[in-house]
Amino acid sequence: SAVISQKPSRDICQRGTSLTIQCQVDSQVTMMFWYRQQPGQSLTLIATANQGSEATYESGFVIDKFPISRPNLTFSTLTVSNMSPEDSSIYLCSVEHPTGVDGYEQYFGPGTRLTVT
Amino acid sequence: AQSVTQLGSHVSVSEGALVLLRCNYSSSVPPYLFWYVQYPNQGLQLLLKYTSAATLVKGINGFEAEFKKSETSFHLTKPSAHMSDAAEYFCAVSELDDYKLSFGAGTTVTVRA
Repeated sequence: SAVISQKPSRDICQRGTSLTIQCQVDSQVTMMFWYRQQPGQSLTLIATANQGSEATYESGFVIDKFPISRPNLTFSTLTVSNMSPEDSSIYLCSVEHPTGVDGYEQYFGPGTRLTVT
Repeated sequence: AQSVTQLGSHVSVSEGALVLLRCNYSSSVPPYLFWYVQYPNQGLQLLLKYTSAATLVKGINGFEAEFKKSETSFHLTKPSAHMSDAAEYFCAVSELDDYKLSFGAGTTVTVRA
C-alpha cells in the first residue's frame, strides 16, 4: 500500500483568493489523481498528473482554475484559483499502485476540507 | 464512459444483521470494480476490488462482494453488522486500461444498537 499525506487538512479562505494543496506519498508512483467531493456528494475526478508531463483534465475542469504541478514521483500540488463559495469541497489526492497480475489499487489521501466565504 | 449506480442512498441495519449494499455498473466489457469506505472526516479506504479473477471477492473488516456479469452487479455484503461499520460506502469502476475511477453516489450506512 501507499501512505499519502495532504496539507493543509482544512482551510477557510476568502473568495477571490487562491489555495495550494500539497500531496505527498511515501513511495514513487507514476500516476497521481486529484478528486473533488462537494458537500454530501460523491467524488469527481479533476485531473490526472503524471511526472514530467502536463496534467490531463476531465470535462468541466480547466488548468486556469485548477493548475497542477508534479515535480517528482512522490509529490504533487493542486491550486484552487480565484475561489468562490462553489469551490467549497473536500479535495483528495490519490495514487495508482500496481499489484501485478491482479491489476491495481488506488489509495487516497485524507483530504483537504476547503471552505470559501 | 463507465458509470455505476448505487441503489439506496441510506441503509439502516441493526447490529448483528446482514449488510447489503447494491452496485450496478454499465459496461459491455467487465471492468475493474472497487468498494471504498469513508468514515466521518476521513479519506477513502479500499475495502475490496474485482479485477477479473475470482468472482467472489473477500475484503477487509468482514466484507465481501460478488461480481455477476449477467446482472452487471457488484453488491457488497457483510453477514453481521457492527457499530463500527457506520460510514459512507462508495462503489467505483475503471476501464481495464485506464486508472481513472468513476464513483457511485454513495450509500450511508447507519447501525442501530
